[in-house]
Amino acid sequence: IAGITQAPTSQILAAGRRMTLRCTQDMRHNAMYWYRQDLGLGLRLIHYSNTAGTTGKGEVPDGYSVSRANTDDFPLTLASAVPSQTSVYFCASSALPRYSYNEQFFGPGTRLTVL
Amino acid sequence: QKEVEQDPGPLSVPEGAIVSLNCTYSNSAFQYFMWYRQYSRKGPELLMYTYSSGNKEDGRFTAQVDKSSKYISLFIRDSQPSDSATYLCAMKGDKAAGNKLTFGGGTRVLVKP
Repeated sequence: IAGITQAPTSQILAAGRRMTLRCTQDMRHNAMYWYRQDLGLGLRLIHYSNTAGTTGKGEVPDGYSVSRANTDDFPLTLASAVPSQTSVYFCASSALPRYSYNEQFFGPGTRLTVL
Repeated sequence: QKEVEQDPGPLSVPEGAIVSLNCTYSNSAFQYFMWYRQYSRKGPELLMYTYSSGNKEDGRFTAQVDKSSKYISLFIRDSQPSDSATYLCAMKGDKAAGNKLTFGGGTRVLVKP
């Protein structure tokens, strides 16, 4: 079982270019999340999806979009990259909280540099 | 001011020492408290989670929550070089809040042999 895979592992991108970060999970989790991690700021939620066909905005959604066409895939798109989007991006998934908390499992991350 | 504050470190200790980590928070609605460990260039992985106030022990790890002070701690006993990592605290509200987590900035820990 692979868990969560992310692609690419790293990318250098020119400002203004469009970029899609890919995320796939094989755990049949309902919920998926995208975070960005910047030094000293921890992980900040960009977008999330509680189930296929639905998405929601997190703490820092501006400049990013997501789609959830099926259970397994949750791509994150930067329509026109800017240098402030230089970060490490993590995808995560979890079962929906049946009780009150379900563990989030994280992918290995994508290191994105926007020049 | 951030909702969750965490000293960034780095915290350097000799092997075998007790590592003490903590976070403070401002949102009294937080009910669930997690500690994640993140090795360099890897994704975070859950170490422990605690509901409401109290202590929880798992092997060498002890998590404490004091909701009255809005303060949580993680203690690592008999620390090993393999414990060298960044430790992130995370929190969430009740079921109505969904599964969205609020993270601290992380504390980098270095255990020297």
